[in-house]
Amino acid sequence: QVQLKESGPGLVQPSETLSLTCTVSGFSLTSYSVSWVRQPSGKGPEWMGRMWYDGDTAYNSALKSRLSISRDTSKNQVFLKMNSLQTDDTGTYYCTRDRAGPDYWGQGVMVTVSS
Amino acid sequence: DIQMTQSPPSLSASLGDKVTITCQASQNINKYIAWYQQKPGKAPRQLIRYTSTLVSGTPSRFSGSGSGRDYSFSISNVESEDIASYYCLQYDNLNTFGAGTKLELK
Repeated sequence: QVQLKESGPGLVQPSETLSLTCTVSGFSLTSYSVSWVRQPSGKGPEWMGRMWYDGDTAYNSALKSRLSISRDTSKNQVFLKMNSLQTDDTGTYYCTRDRAGPDYWGQGVMVTVSS
Repeated sequence: DIQMTQSPPSLSASLGDKVTITCQASQNINKYIAWYQQKPGKAPRQLIRYTSTLVSGTPSRFSGSGSGRDYSFSISNVESEDIASYYCLQYDNLNTFGAGTKLELK
């Protein structure tokens, strides 16, 4: 069955870089695109960016200057790196499989930006 | 970037009511809209894709309609398990979520 699981540090210092990994199973990264979506506590989701099935990437214009998404198809993993983190980057970060919008979601990882 | 304006921000309904949520896109999104349900502490769950196609497992009391820039999502005969937040998402050009609607019991 389709599964996605996010992993990474729960606490990041302000101005530091966030690195997250999404490990997928049940589908191929060369057949489906994978997105990153984040959600501050009590607020709506925000689409961050996508690793297309063909290896191309797309980013939310508001985050583009700070965000990088890559993958390792041999390990079934998609990676997110975002630099210059601030307190308003605190929230739950999800990776999702894309089919007519995100159809499968990981459980999410809570990231807190604090000193 | 395409913007999605979702309303209302909150809804209060009694069991058995019909409720409707609307989303307006900043440009034509060619029916590429999906609707999600989110309960506290859980990831969003896709209910409807391509305006009106129910995702497998979505109860038939959920429905969607619209075209161009204007779309709506309805729940007929609200049940207690429907108490949640709902979000629209356009996927015509990358992705944009609406701000959400919180459905509460009256």
